Amino acid sequence: GAVVSQHPSWVICKSGTSVKIECRSLDFQATTMFWYRQFPKQSLMLMATSNEGSKATYEQGVEKDKFLINHASLTLSTLTVTSAHPEDSSFYICSAVPWAGGPISYNEQFFGPGTRLTVL
Amino acid sequence: GNSVTQMEGPVTLSEEAFLTINCTYTATGYPSLFWYVQYPGEGLQLLLKATKADDKGSNKGFEATYRKETTSFHLEKGSVQVSDSAVYFCALSEGVRLVFGQGTRLTINP
Repeated sequence: GAVVSQHPSWVICKSGTSVKIECRSLDFQATTMFWYRQFPKQSLMLMATSNEGSKATYEQGVEKDKFLINHASLTLSTLTVTSAHPEDSSFYICSAVPWAGGPISYNEQFFGPGTRLTVL
Repeated sequence: GNSVTQMEGPVTLSEEAFLTINCTYTATGYPSLFWYVQYPGEGLQLLLKATKADDKGSNKGFEATYRKETTSFHLEKGSVQVSDSAVYFCALSEGVRLVFGQGTRLTINP
């Protein structure tokens, strides 16, 4: 149990286009999801905290108009990279925290496998 | 702010060798500490955790002890296997948020 998926697993796009990445909790409901960015040989950097039904909370230095986050349901959060540029190329990882009232009552983040974004 | 520092990788060992991956942290208060593992092509998985000083987390032969006096949470395993090859991340909690170390790539040769 507690599986998180991401789609797509990799994407290549042209500079100036927008890319949407989906994060789904497959067998549990998640009121909170997190979005991370990972550069090669570097740590995961938290970008934003996504709460179902409310606006995301962005970390300092993350442009909220560039990285649009929508947490429309208890099992889905999306990250849209708008007007992508080569410097946005990275590995994006999401995680989900099970809803406290659900069958999985862990206070633990479950991670998706990540999405590799390459902007040409 | 809070931070986590891991030993530089990559680390390459032979099967059945003893493993230590160092992790130290800087934090205000008393965070929970975690080790996550990322196998090739997969997401991060929680390997073990400790929630207070002197706690020992253990799983799959791996162990780590929460040392407040040295602000450390070193990961150890007595005899590694090829299947342990992965990237290991040390992390601490800031409420529900996690702060990660840079990760250590471990390769075990048969």
